[in-house]
Amino acid sequence: QVQLVQSGAEVKKPGASVKVSCKASGYTFTSYAMHWVRQAPGQRLEWMGWINAGNGNTKYSQKFQGRVTITRDTSASTAYMELSSLRSEDTAVYYCARRARCTGGVCPYYMDVWGKGTTVTVSS
Amino acid sequence: ETTLTQSPAFMSATPGDKVNISCKASQDIDDDMNWYQQKPGEAAIFIIQEATTLVPGIPPRFSGSGYGTDFTLTINNIESEDAAYYFCLQHDNFPLSFGQGTKVEIK
Repeated sequence: QVQLVQSGAEVKKPGASVKVSCKASGYTFTSYAMHWVRQAPGQRLEWMGWINAGNGNTKYSQKFQGRVTITRDTSASTAYMELSSLRSEDTAVYYCARRARCTGGVCPYYMDVWGKGTTVTVSS
Repeated sequence: ETTLTQSPAFMSATPGDKVNISCKASQDIDDDMNWYQQKPGEAAIFIIQEATTLVPGIPPRFSGSGYGTDFTLTINNIESEDAAYYFCLQHDNFPLSFGQGTKVEIK
């Protein structure tokens, strides 16, 4: 079955960077894009960006542009999200989620499969 | 940028109740609205796409309605296993955006 397995919890100091991984299984990794979404405590989910796992093209939310880098390793069927210059407000659960497939030439933007999330805590 | 206002934030229901969760968009998003269910420690599950279409494998007690700016997720004859966090997503424009979420408790 389709599964997205994320890396374990991280604790980082302000100013540091964090890199979260998301290993996909049960489907052809390069045929889909992968979103990254986060949810800070008590806040709504927030879309960060996505990567086309086939060609590596990325699209980022303007809010995170310059601080987030999404990459992928096709040989490992794994997507990565790196967030730099961490501050306390970046404390959140970070999710990867597969973009739904294109059908009939129409490519929806939304997610159809989610990972369980990775908790990132930023604290001095 | 589209803001989604989801309500209520919390609700408590009795098995067999009909439950409605609302999601209002700050601008017209056609039918580009999805609904998801998430239980603690688990991955979110995709339940409604394009405002009204039930995702295959999801029980028919779940349904979605709405178009434009006003959307509703309805759970008929709610069951104890439906206790979860529900959230809406608009995928009409970037950045994609989410409602605040609704925690549904079953008494």
